[in-house]
Amino acid sequence: EVQLVESGGDLVQPGGSLKLSCAASGFTFSGSAVYWVRQASGKGLEWVGRIRSKANTYATAYAASVKGRFTLSRDDSKNTAYLQMSSLKTEDTAVYYCATRTGATEYWGQGALVTVSS
Amino acid sequence: IVLTQSPGTLSLSPGERATLSCRASQSVSSSYLAWYQQKPGQAPRLLIYGVSSRATGIPDRFSGSGSGTDFTLTISRLEPEDFAVYYCQQYTTSPWTFGQGTKVEI
Repeated sequence: EVQLVESGGDLVQPGGSLKLSCAASGFTFSGSAVYWVRQASGKGLEWVGRIRSKANTYATAYAASVKGRFTLSRDDSKNTAYLQMSSLKTEDTAVYYCATRTGATEYWGQGALVTVSS
Repeated sequence: IVLTQSPGTLSLSPGERATLSCRASQSVSSSYLAWYQQKPGQAPRLLIYGVSSRATGIPDRFSGSGSGTDFTLTISRLEPEDFAVYYCQQYTTSPWTFGQGTKVEI
């Protein structure tokens, strides 16, 4: 069974940092790109960024709203992708999802809640 | 690329046909346009990718069409479980973007 499990969501103060993890199982993680999407309460979906596989040089791309503050990485030996968030703002408060697609099938995690507040 | 979905809300009854629109601010090349369904408290679910290909397990009452800057998601006969919010997404150019969503309500 394919699973993506996010962890690391928390309450953090503005200007602080937080690292989310996305643990994968049930498929060949190392060959798959991973992307992150967030959703503020009652709002629409916002694409955060993606990291490609080793075969694609682990290339990353980011939304303009997070570029320079968020960093994507992955550890294929642990089947885990990471989203390092720094200089957090109140507007970064959202549920963060990781996802991956294999052919015609896409898998999503359950989401991790990040709250940025003083 | 900015994606604009219309209408914002679609009020229909079970058994009716739903037609959702997604317009892009510039051409979506290579047909990298997808549609998602999201229900409250759940992660989004991929319905359509590549403009018109159904994702795994998606019933054939869902269909996608279009090209260039204009795309459509059609639900031929609404089932009770289809009432949800639908988003289009382009993945032809980074940053990928989503439309603002269309709510299909009873």
